[in-house]
Amino acid sequence: DGGITQSPKYLFRKEGQNVTLSCEQNLNHDAMYWYRQDPGQGLRLIYYSQIVNDFQKGDIAEGYSVSREKKESFPLTVTSAQKNPTAFYLCASRPGHTYEQYFGPGTRLTVT
Amino acid sequence: GQQLNQSPQSMFIQEGEDVSMNCTSSSIFNTWLWYKQDPGEGPVLLIALYKAGELTSNGRLTAQFGITRKDSFLNISASIPSDVGIYFCAGRRVGETSGSRLTFGEGTQLTVNP
Repeated sequence: DGGITQSPKYLFRKEGQNVTLSCEQNLNHDAMYWYRQDPGQGLRLIYYSQIVNDFQKGDIAEGYSVSREKKESFPLTVTSAQKNPTAFYLCASRPGHTYEQYFGPGTRLTVT
Repeated sequence: GQQLNQSPQSMFIQEGEDVSMNCTSSSIFNTWLWYKQDPGEGPVLLIALYKAGELTSNGRLTAQFGITRKDSFLNISASIPSDVGIYFCAGRRVGETSGSRLTFGEGTQLTVNP
């Protein structure tokens, strides 16, 4: 069945290590997004991509990198340059004809 | 950044009560979306609104696109324990130049006491 998958659900890393979060969708959606959510807060946009091989920085892109080599996939790398990487990361996708975004289940990253 | 004021921040109600929350902005929007997020999960789209004055229902939930196009409202009737969660508004601001991005409210945390 169609949907957005994020894996893994929980991820633990040591400080100083880069880590890549997976986001895959089989909805044939054009645009994909990465958000960060901290406890008790709203969603902050990290990066987004409207078409393959193109992406734009959101409000908090520093310390993160992305790629969009395939329509279905939009992986997010949290680099060691990100000062406070521990957070809940949400991926979303959007069909081309609407502004409605559909979210994956999220990945909780803990860096110690 | 965030330009939507969502209120209230939190609500504690008894099962069976009705709930109202809203989002306001100084900017004009052409799309309003309402999401619900359960703990540890991704937000789920509840209702989408596209036209000023539009009133749309989804079961016990009703949302309205404000006439001024600067606000939106969500009502939940006869609340039940599974309504617990965080409700987010999101909108597409008129004049947004940054592609297809949305502006999000900070959420309303709803607690329902049985």
